[in-house]
Amino acid sequence: QKEVEQNSGPLSVPEGAIASLNCTYSDRVSQSFFWYRQYSGKSPELIMSIYSNGDKEDGRFTAQLNKASQYVSLLIRDSQPSDSATYLCAVGGLGGGTSYGKLTFGQGTILTVHP
Amino acid sequence: EAGVTQFPSHSVIEKGQTVTLRCDPISGHDNLYWYRRVMGKEIKFLLHFVKESKQDESGMPNNRFLAERTGGTYSTLKVQPAELEDSGVYFCASSSLAGDSYEQYFGPGTRLTVT
Repeated sequence: QKEVEQNSGPLSVPEGAIASLNCTYSDRVSQSFFWYRQYSGKSPELIMSIYSNGDKEDGRFTAQLNKASQYVSLLIRDSQPSDSATYLCAVGGLGGGTSYGKLTFGQGTILTVHP
Repeated sequence: EAGVTQFPSHSVIEKGQTVTLRCDPISGHDNLYWYRRVMGKEIKFLLHFVKESKQDESGMPNNRFLAERTGGTYSTLKVQPAELEDSGVYFCASSSLAGDSYEQYFGPGTRLTVT
């Protein structure tokens, strides 16, 4: 089992729809969770961070965290063609101890928003 | 505020040669990280500096890789001698020590090709 798993893609949604991206992680010690967006050939861009159970909203983005289920998700409302990218789930501090700063990434989900 | 910068953007070397990658973190960020993405795989952690000290080097693949961070500012990652499997994109990231936030900001990456 991978340490961080994302729902298999690619995911295609029409413009204006809600895109839902999911991620599960293996280690209950983890305390920090991040979503990055990566355009082709570019570096990962941090779009959301979440540390506590529940929802966190930032503009059209909502991150949801459920530590009991070891599950984190990202909702993108009113999806735009410019949202088309690879979305990476990253979990901080897997394994704890001296690895508190380490990010463990999922394989990414490719999102396409079509007009 | 300038972001994380990396040099060079691309490097093509022959097997057995040496390559040195450089990363300049965001000014004031004490945490500096190196990650690598090889073709078709997820981004993998290599190591984490806090100022000039190595906090976690659990992801370094072998002793052909040497990372330094002189004076707690910029960092270099040297690969000597390079092997074919070292090809990939090397990302550097940085974060501040503010509170419990470990939000990491990534540089543009160095694409290394070993032939």
